[in-house]
Amino acid sequence: KQEVTQIPAALSVPEGENLVLNCSFTDSAIYNLQWFRQDPGKGLTSLLLIQSSQREQTSGRLNASLDKSSGRSTLYIAASQPGDSATYLCAVMEGNEKLTFGTGTRLTIIP
Amino acid sequence: SAVISQKPSRDICQRGTSLTIQCQVDSQVTMMFWYRQQPGQSLTLIATANQGSEATYESGFVIDKFPISRPNLTFSTLTVSNMSPEDSSIYLCSSRQGFHGYTFGSGTRLTVV
Repeated sequence: KQEVTQIPAALSVPEGENLVLNCSFTDSAIYNLQWFRQDPGKGLTSLLLIQSSQREQTSGRLNASLDKSSGRSTLYIAASQPGDSATYLCAVMEGNEKLTFGTGTRLTIIP
Repeated sequence: SAVISQKPSRDICQRGTSLTIQCQVDSQVTMMFWYRQQPGQSLTLIATANQGSEATYESGFVIDKFPISRPNLTFSTLTVSNMSPEDSSIYLCSSRQGFHGYTFGSGTRLTVV
């Protein structure tokens, strides 16, 4: 059974710093991996989608990498802003089209 | 990618009652998914809904408690039946469109008192 873990569970950094969020998964037979952000009490907003054949994806200040063989992904946020404060979730999709979610990292950017 | 409208956004319900949550997608999708997010937890898949067939439920979730309808390719409902305080959660619907990944509704925050 797939298990997805995110480290750290919570992170606080001063505004302007670059940061990295980590996601690991136990079964490398995935179709893709997707990063989401969730604001308190709200739904999920998709940030980046990486297909299993890709190594990374970029969108603005965000860069996500995927190392399928080692079961790892990272989300890099450059020049962090207070508006980046949210919970970040990674999720992997397997052959049955179901998503398995990580435990999440709660990010706080300190102005 | 698809846009999903979900309602209600929140509700406070009495125990023993039922609540129906609706999701409308702005394009046709084959599969829709319903998730529960308990306080402080990540998302857990409740069931997968295909148009024209019964939903497929994950272990620990049953149709009598969470009946789902999928009358067409753009709409689905989830009912939380005979509610208890343990059902207090955020409920989310989702769909997938090819290589665009998954899109989620804005969530329904349910509190059972």
